[in-house]
Amino acid sequence: AAGVIQSPRHLIKEKRETATLKCYPIPRHDTVYWYQQGPGQDPQFLISFYEKMQSDKGSIPDRFSAQQFSDYHSELNMSSLELGDSALYFCASSSRQGTDTQYFGPGTRLTVL
Amino acid sequence: RKEVEQDPGPFNVPEGATVAFNCTYSNSASQSFFWYRQDCRKEPKLLMSVYSSGNEDGRFTAQLNRASQYISLLIRDSKLSDSATYLCVVKGNYGGATNKLIFGTGTLLAVQP
Repeated sequence: AAGVIQSPRHLIKEKRETATLKCYPIPRHDTVYWYQQGPGQDPQFLISFYEKMQSDKGSIPDRFSAQQFSDYHSELNMSSLELGDSALYFCASSSRQGTDTQYFGPGTRLTVL
Repeated sequence: RKEVEQDPGPFNVPEGATVAFNCTYSNSASQSFFWYRQDCRKEPKLLMSVYSSGNEDGRFTAQLNRASQYISLLIRDSKLSDSATYLCVVKGNYGGATNKLIFGTGTLLAVQP
C-alpha cells in the first residue's frame, strides 16, 4: 500500500539558512501533520492542515511556516535555521472520512551546522 | 510533568518472555489512545489502537482504564523482532488542538536471544 512520502530524506544546512521539507500524504488522505523529534526526545506536534486549511497549531516557531496545496501535499518552510533545529521531521497523514489514524512518513533528518 | 508518562525502561527480556508496559495520561478529555513502535532512526508505526473494552492483536494485548487514566500493553512470547521503542500515544484536546498526538517518552525493549 502507498505510504507517506517525504523529501528530502537528509538535509544539511548552515546556521541562518533556509530549508523546505516536503510531504506527500497517502492517497485520499485529507489531513497532514508535522512533528519534530529531537535527539533522544519524543515527537512534538508542530502544525496540521485539513483540506488545505490550518487546523491545529502546536509548538511551531515563528521562523517556520507551512501550507497544504491543492494536491494535498504539504511543505514546511524553515528560515533562520538554528543549531537546535537539528532533528527528525516527520509528516503524518490521515483521513477524517475513515478512522483518522495517523500514518507517519520516513522523516527528513535535518542537520544544522 | 509530562502529559503522557511511561515506564522508564529499558526492558531487557529473553525470547519467549512476557513483558508489560504501562502508561498514564494527565488530560481526562483525551479521546483516543494508541501504541506505536519506533525502531532506531525510523518513523513511528502504529501497533494498535486501544479501546475501553481492551483489545488483542495476536501476541499483543492493550488495555485502557479511563477512570485511572492508565493504558497498558502486554506482549506475549517476545520475539527478537519486537526489539524497539514502544510509544504510548494519546489524542485529544490539548492546548486547544484536538487532533494532535501526544507522545510518551517511550520505553525501549531489547529482546535477547
